[in-house]
Amino acid sequence: SAVISQKPSRDICQRGTSLTIQCQVDSQVTMMFWYRQQPGQSLTLIATANQGSEATYESGFVIDKFPISRPNLTFSTLTVSNMSPEDSSIYLCSATGTPTDTQYFGPGTRLTVL
Amino acid sequence: DAKTTQPNSMESNEEEPVHLPCNHSTISGTDYIHWYRQLPSQGPEYVIHGLTSNVNNRMASLAIAEDRKSSTLILHRATLRDAAVYYCILDGTGANNLFFGTGTRLTVIP
Repeated sequence: SAVISQKPSRDICQRGTSLTIQCQVDSQVTMMFWYRQQPGQSLTLIATANQGSEATYESGFVIDKFPISRPNLTFSTLTVSNMSPEDSSIYLCSATGTPTDTQYFGPGTRLTVL
Repeated sequence: DAKTTQPNSMESNEEEPVHLPCNHSTISGTDYIHWYRQLPSQGPEYVIHGLTSNVNNRMASLAIAEDRKSSTLILHRATLRDAAVYYCILDGTGANNLFFGTGTRLTVIP
């Protein structure tokens, strides 16, 4: 199993600013993912964070808005850029050891944009 | 990605079994069936997954129809802690990209 922590757990930000969310896994994992969960909604996959290369984004999400880094096998960051109130959501990080393995989720970062 | 259909909500009495259905009529031969649940204010957690045969673990059982067009997550004895949103997800990409549907909100009545 893997234990995932995220920082910050929550934040309130002003429109037009950017926030970087950190995701730390307690063991080396193959794959890391970022999801968004808007209020009262299900989870939506933003991107797969690839180690040492550019993230793979899902339809509707772009690198300029959600730059992602993954410098090693246990750490990734997601930046929400030029925020607007529509970006208010919970952002969740997840990780898995192999493509067919169980996916483990972090507790999420609750972002409110004023 | 193949689509899944689940009831929006279900109720169960505490200590009774719960059968959570999932329809996936467009499932392909390589799609794994995953179940995750999300407790209030937490990230999702893995429950169980399978391909063709029924599966059991300490949390639940997964019954997969012979034609694989539907499956049922079985909680053998619901507790208050089992109150959550349960998601049935198909993954056939091999990349473990999970596309969450709306899920079933399970309420457990004391």
